[in-house]
Amino acid sequence: DAGVIQSPRHEVTEMGQEVTLRCKPISGHDYLFWYRQTMMRGLELLIYFNNNVPIDDSGMPEDRFSAKMPNASFSTLKIQPSEPRDSAVYFCASSLARVWGSNEQFFGPGTRLTVL
Amino acid sequence: GNSVTQMEGPVTLSEEAFLTINCTYTATGYPSLFWYVQYPGEGLQLLLKATKADDKGSNKGFEATYRKETTSFHLEKGSVQVSDSAVYFCALGVGGSSNTGKLIFGQGTTLQVKP
Repeated sequence: DAGVIQSPRHEVTEMGQEVTLRCKPISGHDYLFWYRQTMMRGLELLIYFNNNVPIDDSGMPEDRFSAKMPNASFSTLKIQPSEPRDSAVYFCASSLARVWGSNEQFFGPGTRLTVL
Repeated sequence: GNSVTQMEGPVTLSEEAFLTINCTYTATGYPSLFWYVQYPGEGLQLLLKATKADDKGSNKGFEATYRKETTSFHLEKGSVQVSDSAVYFCALGVGGSSNTGKLIFGQGTTLQVKP
């Protein structure tokens, strides 16, 4: 399996522009997570989906952020308009639900976003 | 509620030194416990896990034992290498009927190993 795929790996944009980050989870996984990592705040869970349905978006910082999962193999995280404080590494992860035992998550390589 | 507390870093060691990174947790239900490692410029990857009390997870010379009596899952390695320099995250997931699918992560501990 190719693992979790994220694109782009790096994104540099100007304040006010729309940014779209993309994620392809591992085939067969039914959970998908979006995280943000910064030096100041560490690793933060933004939103997660189960079977393409958003379960908890309480970590989404504000209305400028939105996420969708139109099908089991694709998700997007959109920031509109972007601001310099959105600069961070954004990770996507996926996992397979288990009745008992571990919820091991598999992480993608991340998208490093820089908003100028 | 569920939470994970890790020792603060950075932890700086000389090569071949013994490593311990402390992790304690609070949880309802029957948690599974994980250690993830993040090398510079990369995503998190699973280092080891334990799914029930007294289980020992091990990988690449790292070990951690699930201690229910002390609610701990400390990471250890007998002899660290420069290549072990990374950020280490302790995490828990609650299974069974309380399974939300989420993992609760600690704040991460940076390890620096000097030659």
